[in-house]
Amino acid sequence: QVQLHESGPGLVKPSETLALTCSVSDDSISTYHWSWIRQTPGQGLEWIGYVSSSGTTNYNPSLKSRVALSRDTSKKQFSLRLTSVTAADTAVYYCARHSPGGTAAGTFDSWGLGTLVTVSS
Amino acid sequence: DIQMTQSPSTLSASVGDRVTITCRASESVAGWLAWYQQKPGKAPKLLIYKASSLVAGVPSRFSGSGSGAEYTLTISSLQPDDFATYYCQQYHSYSPLTFGGGTKVEIK
Repeated sequence: QVQLHESGPGLVKPSETLALTCSVSDDSISTYHWSWIRQTPGQGLEWIGYVSSSGTTNYNPSLKSRVALSRDTSKKQFSLRLTSVTAADTAVYYCARHSPGGTAAGTFDSWGLGTLVTVSS
Repeated sequence: DIQMTQSPSTLSASVGDRVTITCRASESVAGWLAWYQQKPGKAPKLLIYKASSLVAGVPSRFSGSGSGAEYTLTISSLQPDDFATYYCQQYHSYSPLTFGGGTKVEIK
């Protein structure tokens, strides 16, 4: 069973850049798609975007101007950068693996524990 | 965006009850619908995909049905471990992938 672990600062100042990394416990980073999802009490679960098994990216249009996802296969990691953050970006951020291809491909079968990021001065 | 609306937002039930949660999409998602269970402080857990396919290891008391824009999650006999919040998610459109607002199942 793959393990995912988010890491990064828990506090980011307004207008600065939020940067998180997800470490993958096995060698599957080039086999699956990997997403970032965030959760706020008010807005529920929000998909941020994914980096595909081949390294291409797809973003939520509402965040596309501020988001960049990348991966480092040698380190078995993928990363999120979110620029110009505001208090509205305060959330628990999860990294997640997409289910294998076929009828479950757009769902998430493995998740990290989540990391709370607070945007505040 | 495809908007996902769940009802009810909160449901009070007792152990042994049959529970049904509804998820409505703003347009047809053609069966590309998943259900997750989330407990406090934990990540969501995938229960059902493609509207009615049970993930391996998920108890058979969970079932999903529906088509087009309307779907249901049913728990046939609620167990103590089932008190949690449930979310639907559509994956018919990746622009963007979207979740419902959640249904909290609490003890009556």
